[in-house]
Amino acid sequence: QVQLVQSGAEVKKPGASVKVSCKVSGYTLTELSMHWVRQAPGKGLEWMGGFDPEDGETIYAQKFQGRVTMTEDTSTDTAYMELSSLRSEDTAVYYCATSVTTSWYFDLWGRGTLVTVSS
Amino acid sequence: DIQMTQSPSSLSASVGDRVTITCRASQGISNYLAWYQQKPGKVPKLLIYAASTLQSGVPSRFSGSGSGTDFTLTISSLQPEDVATYYCQKYNSAPCTFGPGTKVDIK
Repeated sequence: QVQLVQSGAEVKKPGASVKVSCKVSGYTLTELSMHWVRQAPGKGLEWMGGFDPEDGETIYAQKFQGRVTMTEDTSTDTAYMELSSLRSEDTAVYYCATSVTTSWYFDLWGRGTLVTVSS
Repeated sequence: DIQMTQSPSSLSASVGDRVTITCRASQGISNYLAWYQQKPGKVPKLLIYAASTLQSGVPSRFSGSGSGTDFTLTISSLQPEDVATYYCQKYNSAPCTFGPGTKVDIK
């Protein structure tokens, strides 16, 4: 049974960075295409980026280009999402999401990590 | 980028009603369309992928149809546990945009 276990809630000041982790169990990270989706309070789902297995590259949504970095540690089957230059609008629940089929729909989700940006 | 829209933004229906939600892509995406259900305070759940393929374990009262730019999610007989927000998502190529959501509740 595949599980995605995310790191705990974070409180950050404006301008700081946050790094959220997502540990995979039941599969190896190399078998999956990991993506990150966020949801601001009371708002919809927003795709941030993910790994494209066809070319081995990570693709980022244009909105986050230059501010987000998604990495993977295959030795621990853990994916990371780091967002820098945080502002209040980045307050959201951040989900890792994937599919065992490596398609870009998501049948597996982490429980989410609340990141609060506040001075 | 391809934009995704949904209608209506919210609806209220009675238990047992047939409910239809529409999702439209600004350009053709073939059948690379998924539907998710998100109950309040919960993680999104995949209902349908490839526009019409029911995810394992999802009740058969949910169905999807469409191809190209126009898609529908139908709940054949609305149940109290179906109260949720429903999102469509395109996944033919990046960005994997979600629709704005349709909130469904019981009248």
